[in-house]
Amino acid sequence: SQELEQSPQSLIVQEGKNLTINCTSSKTLYGLYWYKQKYGEGLIFLMMLQKGGEEKSHEKITAKLDEKKQQSSLHITASQPSHAGIYLCGADHGANSKLTFGKGITLSVRP
Amino acid sequence: DGGITQSPKYLFRKEGQNVTLSCEQNLNHDAMYWYRQDPGQGLRLIYYSQIVNDFQKGDIAEGYSVSREKKESFPLTVTSAQKNPTAFYLCASSTIGGSINEQFFGPGTRLTVL
Repeated sequence: SQELEQSPQSLIVQEGKNLTINCTSSKTLYGLYWYKQKYGEGLIFLMMLQKGGEEKSHEKITAKLDEKKQQSSLHITASQPSHAGIYLCGADHGANSKLTFGKGITLSVRP
Repeated sequence: DGGITQSPKYLFRKEGQNVTLSCEQNLNHDAMYWYRQDPGQGLRLIYYSQIVNDFQKGDIAEGYSVSREKKESFPLTVTSAQKNPTAFYLCASSTIGGSINEQFFGPGTRLTVL
């Protein structure tokens, strides 16, 4: 079974629309990391959440970690073509600095 | 500028040949990691190292080998024993200990077996 589930698998939105993607863990999260990847490139760090109920924002992207520390959501406001890419969540389950990654969510933004 | 470099960007190999992927970091990070990324599979951990001259197997280590002779370098060898080596390979590094384990990623190497 997958320890970290991301949903939806893919998403197509019209430019200017808001969207939310999710990352759900089967175990308690000691830390949750959101990354963005352009196809064929490395991962770019977006945000890290650690505390239950924590919320962080950067430009038009907001990430939240639920109180039980098993689910995180990432919300994009007024999406732009520059937001297109693959969004991956990485989970720290307390396993010796290793991160477990989800399969990623492919976001397309139509102009 | 501090960062992680991987070379080459693209690599082609004939079946039965070993090939080594390079990963170098100048972030003074103790830990380094190798991941494999396939379409629809996300990132899977191959090997990781937290200290020079020591490394551990990840989830899919079969058919791969690594070395960590220097803190800055963590090369990955894809051996002929790897049944399906065509994939995108990502190297990462991080500090260890503390509460934050953000991993910094290199640009990746795309390996194609002909």
